[in-house]
Amino acid sequence: SQTIHQWPATLVQPVGSPLSLECTVEGTSNPNLYWYRQAAGRGLQLLFYSVGIGQISSEVPQNLSASRPQDRQFILSSKKLLLSDSGFYLCAWNPGGTDTQYFGPGTRLTVL
Amino acid sequence: RKEVEQDPGPFNVPEGATVAFNCTYSNSASQSFFWYRQDCRKEPKLLMSVYSSGNEDGRFTAQLNRASQYISLLIRDSKLSDSATYLCVVPYSGTYKYIFGTGTRLKVLA
Repeated sequence: SQTIHQWPATLVQPVGSPLSLECTVEGTSNPNLYWYRQAAGRGLQLLFYSVGIGQISSEVPQNLSASRPQDRQFILSSKKLLLSDSGFYLCAWNPGGTDTQYFGPGTRLTVL
Repeated sequence: RKEVEQDPGPFNVPEGATVAFNCTYSNSASQSFFWYRQDCRKEPKLLMSVYSSGNEDGRFTAQLNRASQYISLLIRDSKLSDSATYLCVVPYSGTYKYIFGTGTRLKVLA
């Protein structure tokens, strides 16, 4: 069966520290992968998406970056976190050729 | 006009009631639509997809009105466990992106 993993589940980081969040999908190949952020009480904001290894599309210019080093791995990074980076980070995937998205359990990030 | 718009609620309804929410979308070329359920501090989970006129799954019915560009979600015989935020999602036609509504919050009261 197909599953999606994200870690860590929660993270508390100081302002200015680096960030690395990882997302992996099992049981499929060549998925489309997405990173979203949801601020408290707000809707989902698309950050990055990828339709293949090494291919990244950025939706929001900011101090975050994404990479896809393997087919089923998607990484969200930052060199220096800002207070405004706090939020609930969700990885999502959909099988290539379909438009149904499935979400990982999310990482709750607090920047202090 | 927002690309996908939902009434934020909350909709407070008694157990056993029938409740319906609407979601309007602006892109007339959209072909598929989704309802997700999101519990507090959890990830969104797919509830229903809508590709043509509608879809039904147990107590849940989704309808599509292309002429007026909205989809609706009807919940019959509401349960306490139906309390959640319901997100309307529309794939952005011709891209790999999805447009999310801000969600409608439902509270089912005992």
